Amino acid sequence: GENVEQHPSTLSVQEGDSAVIKCTYSDSASNYFPWYKQELGKRPQLIIDIRSNVGEKKDQRIAVTLNKTAKHFSLHITETQPEDSAVYFCAASNPPSGYSTLTFGKGTMLLVSP
Amino acid sequence: DSGVTQTPKHLITATGQRVTLRCSPRSGDLSVYWYQQSLDQGLQFLIHYYNGEERAKGNILERFSAQQFPDLHSELNLSSLELGDSALYFCASSVGLDRNTEAFFGQGTRLTVV
Repeated sequence: GENVEQHPSTLSVQEGDSAVIKCTYSDSASNYFPWYKQELGKRPQLIIDIRSNVGEKKDQRIAVTLNKTAKHFSLHITETQPEDSAVYFCAASNPPSGYSTLTFGKGTMLLVSP
Repeated sequence: DSGVTQTPKHLITATGQRVTLRCSPRSGDLSVYWYQQSLDQGLQFLIHYYNGEERAKGNILERFSAQQFPDLHSELNLSSLELGDSALYFCASSVGLDRNTEAFFGQGTRLTVV
């Protein structure tokens, strides 16, 4: 099955700096790559996603890049703010028979210091 | 609010007992996924149901079982509980078709086995 590796496990930045989280996946058939943000004690929430026919996607301060050849994708957060502090999970989806199942990385705890 | 409802929010039970966690997906979503989140294992996929049928199994123990009912709500049954089963259990739902695979998470059920 799919295996997703995520790095780093923790990331501390100063407010205003950029943050980059990287993930690799094992199954070349995976074609959907979402990123979820989970604040303490709350549910994971989708913040951005990318599909395999696109190399990059941007939404305000958040961007995701995908390199299908190398089987890795990254989350970029620019101009970080304290409210960006949370655990971020990458995931990959390999839909057998057209139905999706997400395999998650182990998460990155991002701490943005004011 | 994601539209996915999980009950109960908290559950404390003793080892050896059996519990049932309930999930109501978003209106119109046919897929329901169950995930277990523990501190050391991250988000582990347990099982996926689509329109009442089991579609995929992940790292689900034989002591655990699930089903999805005709009204599309789902239940996760955990039996012969052990201390190590203490975790946050999330249900997520999606439309279930490959072209729309965003998964929306419920608030989770925190299970504590004592």
